[in-house]
Amino acid sequence: DQQVKQNSPSLSVQEGRISILNCDYTNSMFDYFLWYKKYPAEGPTFLISISSIKDKNEDGRFTVFLNKSAKHLSLHIVPSQPGDSAVYFCAASALYTGNQFYFGTGTSLTVIP
Amino acid sequence: GAVVSQHPSWVICKSGTSVKIECRSLDFQATTMFWYRQFPKQSLMLMATSNEGSKATYEQGVEKDKFLINHASLTLSTLTVTSAHPEDSSFYICSAREDARNYEQYFGPGTRLTVT
Repeated sequence: DQQVKQNSPSLSVQEGRISILNCDYTNSMFDYFLWYKKYPAEGPTFLISISSIKDKNEDGRFTVFLNKSAKHLSLHIVPSQPGDSAVYFCAASALYTGNQFYFGTGTSLTVIP
Repeated sequence: GAVVSQHPSWVICKSGTSVKIECRSLDFQATTMFWYRQFPKQSLMLMATSNEGSKATYEQGVEKDKFLINHASLTLSTLTVTSAHPEDSSFYICSAREDARNYEQYFGPGTRLTVT
């Protein structure tokens, strides 16, 4: 049972444009969300997080939006750069689960120069 | 920043043998370590959670006797794949958390296991 879903397995964007990666979750108890970036054969690297008390968090070119009523979050990257090409995973966590992370299936982003 | 290492990064073993993978937190003490498994083009699946000095908590469907986890110290956790089979071939990733109140997990670079 996949509690965190990323319905787009891949996304291609032109350099300089905005990349929007989406993530949906089913468990309303999730209260902390993260985005990770992953290159092949490497471990995930933390990118940005947001807690359920916020609806937006921004860090440089990366902004995460949280819509709790829709159980949806998105990652915006603007402007997109070729070095952003990687697989992006969203993850959700809840205090009652001991803060374990549940990962989505990932979206492979390709930024075209 | 917090660094987590894994050793080895890549291992090939024969079917029926056992393989040990180490996960170390290099610059912080990890009260909790997590072991994940990733199949190609799939999500990271949590296998087990280990707290220093206590038995690991395994996720449903993960064989405890096959995937032995030991969190012997605050900086080291090991995953031993016993009697490995080709279907155990996968990418294994560990992560470490410093404090139970802290959501942040720091991931290791992963270990590619190939069982022939």
